[in-house]
Amino acid sequence: SAVISQKPSRDICQRGTSLTIQCQVDSQVTMMFWYRQQPGQSLTLIATANQGSEATYESGFVIDKFPISRPNLTFSTLTVSNMSPEDSSIYLCSVVWQDKSGANVLTFGAGSRLTVL
Amino acid sequence: GDSVTQMEGPVTLSEEAFLTINCTYTATGYPSLFWYVQYPGEGLQLLLKATKADDKGSNKGFEATYRKETTSFHLEKGSVQVSDSAVYFCALSGESSNTGKLIFGQGTTLQVKP
Repeated sequence: SAVISQKPSRDICQRGTSLTIQCQVDSQVTMMFWYRQQPGQSLTLIATANQGSEATYESGFVIDKFPISRPNLTFSTLTVSNMSPEDSSIYLCSVVWQDKSGANVLTFGAGSRLTVL
Repeated sequence: GDSVTQMEGPVTLSEEAFLTINCTYTATGYPSLFWYVQYPGEGLQLLLKATKADDKGSNKGFEATYRKETTSFHLEKGSVQVSDSAVYFCALSGESSNTGKLIFGQGTTLQVKP
């Protein structure tokens, strides 16, 4: 399966600042996905990032708050803008990979744990 | 819309005990079903999956059977180990054509004591 590297792995940020998370995949993929995992909660898809076009955001997420870049087929960034303590979460990058049986499987990076003070 | 409901945790078991973590879902069509595991300090890893009714997914001693009649995908293991302590997430592929969009349950924390 694809190997996904994210950085930073964790950070502590001040309210009102912005932070950019990077995601690197070891192979070319058409779509990359950004998820959020709030403390003690489940995962929620933020947006789908396609190379060469604007990201597609899920309900409740907007580009001004979570701008995404996708400059090539192996890299994407997610920025968390004007952070507040409510943005404290783990942010995960993921890609779809076809396993041995031909099924599409979602594979995740290790995540970036952000704490906003 | 689609949704996944898991039993609440934490689930605390002694080593070698039998494990069941319940998962039920609501979905239109025929979703694929997944169990993911998150070990302490690590990212999510796919544990097993089933893509159609009556399929049984299995991996590392864990099993789950896709039951369409009861809309369930319960996770089982006959004998848990301390190293199985983790958070387990049930998930389904949504009705949208976005193959990267999974609907996750709230997660169940498993603690296995020696």
